[in-house]
Amino acid sequence: GAGVSQTPSNKVTEKGKYVELRCDPISGHTALYWYRQSLGQGPEFLIYFQGTGAADDSGLPNDRFFAVRPEGSVSTLKIQRTERGDSAVYLCASSLTPLRQGSGNTIYFGEGSWLTVV
Amino acid sequence: AQKVTQAQTEISVVEKEDVTLDCVYETRDTTYYLFWYKQPPSGELVFLIRRNSFDEQNEISGRYSWNFQKSTSSFNFTITASQVVDSAVYFCALSDTGANSKLTFGKGITLSVRP
Repeated sequence: GAGVSQTPSNKVTEKGKYVELRCDPISGHTALYWYRQSLGQGPEFLIYFQGTGAADDSGLPNDRFFAVRPEGSVSTLKIQRTERGDSAVYLCASSLTPLRQGSGNTIYFGEGSWLTVV
Repeated sequence: AQKVTQAQTEISVVEKEDVTLDCVYETRDTTYYLFWYKQPPSGELVFLIRRNSFDEQNEISGRYSWNFQKSTSSFNFTITASQVVDSAVYFCALSDTGANSKLTFGKGITLSVRP
């Protein structure tokens, strides 16, 4: 598609359950990012992929969170043993390449997956 | 560490008024990028502008203009003759030019434009 696509748009799950959120980046974009946005806050960085590898996962809050991008395109964010505090909008973004001086590219976001843990 | 401060939390104006959204940043990097994104109720973050730290020229795009002042670490955004469709949350963000280019966002400013 033309933009970053995320599914599901909304997910309600029970505390303790496992959740997967999918991101389909803009075609040809090698860099992919996951962010989390809580109510009334700005997005916070979770993890960055360059190609298939997680180049920076320093933003993942704990080991219940994991993300993969096996073929360098679609990515899945996985949350185990969900907690009520995980409720937030999970935003995926992509860029043609990582930002470089003078590259002219930028980072484009999807509409997010709204996760509610009850 | 990088930090972005958007001191204004909510702004309400009447249509056709001009409005300025403030952004102050902190970074130890000598080269970096600054961004503004718009988040309408649909939730998607819409890219508005990217500014290189080496380029201090102000920019105008239609009703939008940006004032980058490196001396005061500010990157303010002005909407001229505001319209109801401008109602949204606006985020300022900062990125270094390192390998991962991750963005540090401010808390956002909710702009309401009344008819």
